[in-house]
Amino acid sequence: GQQVKQSSPSLTVQEGGILILNCDYENDMFDYFAWYKKYPDNSPTLLISVRSNVDKREDGRFTVFLNKSGKHFSLHITASQPEDTAVYLCAAGAGATGGNNKLTFGQGTVLSVIP
Amino acid sequence: GPKVLQIPSHQIIDMGQMVTLNCDPVSNHLYFYWYKQILGQQMEFLVNFYNGKVMEKSKLFKDQFSVERPDGSYFTLKIQPTALEDSAVYFCASSLIRLGGGETLYFGSGTRLTVL
Repeated sequence: GQQVKQSSPSLTVQEGGILILNCDYENDMFDYFAWYKKYPDNSPTLLISVRSNVDKREDGRFTVFLNKSGKHFSLHITASQPEDTAVYLCAAGAGATGGNNKLTFGQGTVLSVIP
Repeated sequence: GPKVLQIPSHQIIDMGQMVTLNCDPVSNHLYFYWYKQILGQQMEFLVNFYNGKVMEKSKLFKDQFSVERPDGSYFTLKIQPTALEDSAVYFCASSLIRLGGGETLYFGSGTRLTVL
């Protein structure tokens, strides 16, 4: 089954708006949570990540919130720009606690920012 | 930033043939990975590789699959023989250390494999 799920296949927002991308997971052993950004025919690139010992991390316009009890994490983007248009992939890993060395990815959310 | 290169970007082969997908990882990285993404589905872990050995593999890593990195050259994924269900985009990734410390994965742009 899908261990990491993104509920929205796509989102559209007006330039300047705030948006929230959501990700749910099943594995209690996950201790690392990340958001990757991918342009068409390009490589997924790490946008922001957080370890399980914190519930929030901010980097400029991007903030990741972690809710461990709810097995949920989200990406908030403020002041959205047309260049934010891309596919956003959430990912989780259990390297520190679970001992394995891989990331499990969600299906992705296609974000469109309209000028 | 650090780059992972994948060659070729597209490959079309006939079912039953052998194919080798090549990956040039970030130069000082020690851990290497392959992921498979079927059209419309999520990117799924196939295998990771360290110090000349497979460390972990998923159930998608069939007996027809093999990986190697001879003498620090390309990290390769070989499929022999290929099947129709092997059609997908294959992403290579590398990392400097194990992922447990929050180390990031660096990905290539993928090789789109079409098996006819």
